Amino acid sequence: KAGVTQTPRYLIKTRGQQVTLSCSPISGHRSVSWYQQTPGQGLQFLFEYFSETQRNKGNFPGRFSGRQFSNSRSEMNVSTLELGDSALYLCASSLGQGGKTQYFGPGTRLLVL
Amino acid sequence: GQQLNQSPQSMFIQEGEDVSMNCTSSSIFNTWLWYKQDPGEGPVLLIALYKAGELTSNGRLTAQFGITRKDSFLNISASIPSDVGIYFCATANTGNQFYFGTGTSLTVIP
Repeated sequence: KAGVTQTPRYLIKTRGQQVTLSCSPISGHRSVSWYQQTPGQGLQFLFEYFSETQRNKGNFPGRFSGRQFSNSRSEMNVSTLELGDSALYLCASSLGQGGKTQYFGPGTRLLVL
Repeated sequence: GQQLNQSPQSMFIQEGEDVSMNCTSSSIFNTWLWYKQDPGEGPVLLIALYKAGELTSNGRLTAQFGITRKDSFLNISASIPSDVGIYFCATANTGNQFYFGTGTSLTVIP
């Protein structure tokens, strides 16, 4: 089975712009979670989508949003980028039932200038 | 949110030595996971544990799900240079919410 894929792998934006990141889960997985990882804060949970619905949400401002499509692919959007949004954004997929195992993609490295 | 206490924060060891790290939580969980992350990459799942007391090995790695269901440990035997990285523990509740430890940075000195 192919693993979790994320595009793009690297991205450079300037403050005030918006960005959209994409994630394709493992085939058959219906849950996609997004995380922000920075050196100082570790892995911070953004949100989880299951069957096109946001099921869990972390403590991030409304500038961070996401959606999931009927094929389980997910996108994450960040509007009005700030310097502090520079991070590695990780997507993880799981079957979605009962909190079993979660598999990560390689991440998208976002740099905001 | 849920706090997982992972220790130690960092380790510097000689090649060939054994390594042990652990994770504790204040709540009971039904799943414990251990991941390894290389710089600039996503975490890779090493071992998954689903039952209290379960002891599972993956090559030189061994992990155990504590019988109290509030802790887990990971051992690496006979460390080699490619073991370098950051190791994360994680747990999950039945609502598919995952929680992560703060990571253990491992450096192996050849």
